[in-house]
Amino acid sequence: EDKVVQSPLSLVVHEGDTVTLNCSYEVTNFRSLLWYKQEKKAPTFLFMLTSSGIEKKSGRLSSILDKKELSSILNITATQTGDSAIYLCAVEYNDYKLSFGAGTTVTVRA
Amino acid sequence: DGGITQSPKYLFRKEGQNVTLSCEQNLNHDAMYWYRQDPGQGLRLIYYSQIVNDFQKGDIAEGYSVSREKKESFPLTVTSAQKNPTAFYLCASTSQQGKGEQYFGPGTRLTVT
Repeated sequence: EDKVVQSPLSLVVHEGDTVTLNCSYEVTNFRSLLWYKQEKKAPTFLFMLTSSGIEKKSGRLSSILDKKELSSILNITATQTGDSAIYLCAVEYNDYKLSFGAGTTVTVRA
Repeated sequence: DGGITQSPKYLFRKEGQNVTLSCEQNLNHDAMYWYRQDPGQGLRLIYYSQIVNDFQKGDIAEGYSVSREKKESFPLTVTSAQKNPTAFYLCASTSQQGKGEQYFGPGTRLTVT
């Protein structure tokens, strides 16, 4: 059965800390891995990763894919209270469907 | 302004009633999706459609139905056969018949009592 597992399920940090979120997957016909941020309603797209070892960056956020280990990490440096959200990992496979992990809830305290 | 709209934001229904959730997009996207989100769980795929007049069941299609008569619209009906319909429902779309990142609507929170 195809599955996507995220860890940790939740964490609490203080402003300025660095956060590392993990996503591991087992799917057939892997196509890409995507990260989304969900604050209150609609998830918003962060990154799409298709190639192993190539880091993608956007401001204080970065992500990298390891196809050998079937995993990805999302890093957030110098965290701010606005980074508080659920971070969702999804894997695109087969008919271009997405399979989502349960998400990691990040709480950043001032 | 291009985007995906879902209505209503909140919906309350009595058990045994069918209810239809609206999803409209003006992004000219080919593919559209319906997900359900429950606390502590990831998004689960209910139905998806890659082109007009065609759709496929996702992982949890039982108790739901959809139609795709127009490219911009993909309504979801939650039928009385759905055993646990209370949830947050998200609609998404993507271009290129399903390749690439999906864009999400703001969601509809359905409560059935």
